[in-house]
Amino acid sequence: QKEVEQNSGPLSVPEGAIASLNCTYSDRGSQSFFWYRQYSGKSPELIMSIYSNGDKEDGRFTAQLNKASQYVSLLIRDSQPSDSATYLCAVNINAGKSTFGDGTTLTVKP
Amino acid sequence: NAGVMQNPRHLVRRRGQEARLRCSPMKGHSHVYWYRQLPEEGLKFMVYLQKENIIDESGMPKERFSAEFPKEGPSILRIQQVVRGDSAAYFCASSPLGPRERDYGYTFGSGTRLTVV
Repeated sequence: QKEVEQNSGPLSVPEGAIASLNCTYSDRGSQSFFWYRQYSGKSPELIMSIYSNGDKEDGRFTAQLNKASQYVSLLIRDSQPSDSATYLCAVNINAGKSTFGDGTTLTVKP
Repeated sequence: NAGVMQNPRHLVRRRGQEARLRCSPMKGHSHVYWYRQLPEEGLKFMVYLQKENIIDESGMPKERFSAEFPKEGPSILRIQQVVRGDSAAYFCASSPLGPRERDYGYTFGSGTRLTVV
């Protein structure tokens, strides 16, 4: 079992729809959770962090964490073509080192 | 600009040569992480360093790979006697935090694309 698993995708949604990206992790001791966006040929960019159960909203992005189910998700509302990218889920057991999932590629169609 | 600086952006090496990848962390950050990314794959952890210390090198291959972060100057990832399988994008990231502090995630550099021919 991988430490961090994401739906491989690709995920395609129409412009204006909600995109839902999912991630599960294996270590119950995980403390910090992150979502990064990576455009093709570019480096990852941090877009969301979450540390406690529940929802965290930032603009069109909402991160959701459920530690009991070892599940973290990212919702993108009103999806735009510029949101088309690969989204990486990252999990930290201890401060510092992040373990990344293999990413989900999202395509938002105009 | 105080972002994470990596160089070179692109590096071509023949099999058997050495590759040296450099990373200067963001201003105020004292922790550096190196990751490798193969095409269509996720980021694989290699090594976590603090100034003059290797904190975690559990992702580093046992042979040919080494990393350092000296008191002065950038962090260096060194690959000796490169092989075609070393061809990948190598990303450096930095954070301001130590092991007992809250994580705020990474700032990544633009990466070094290594091609071994």
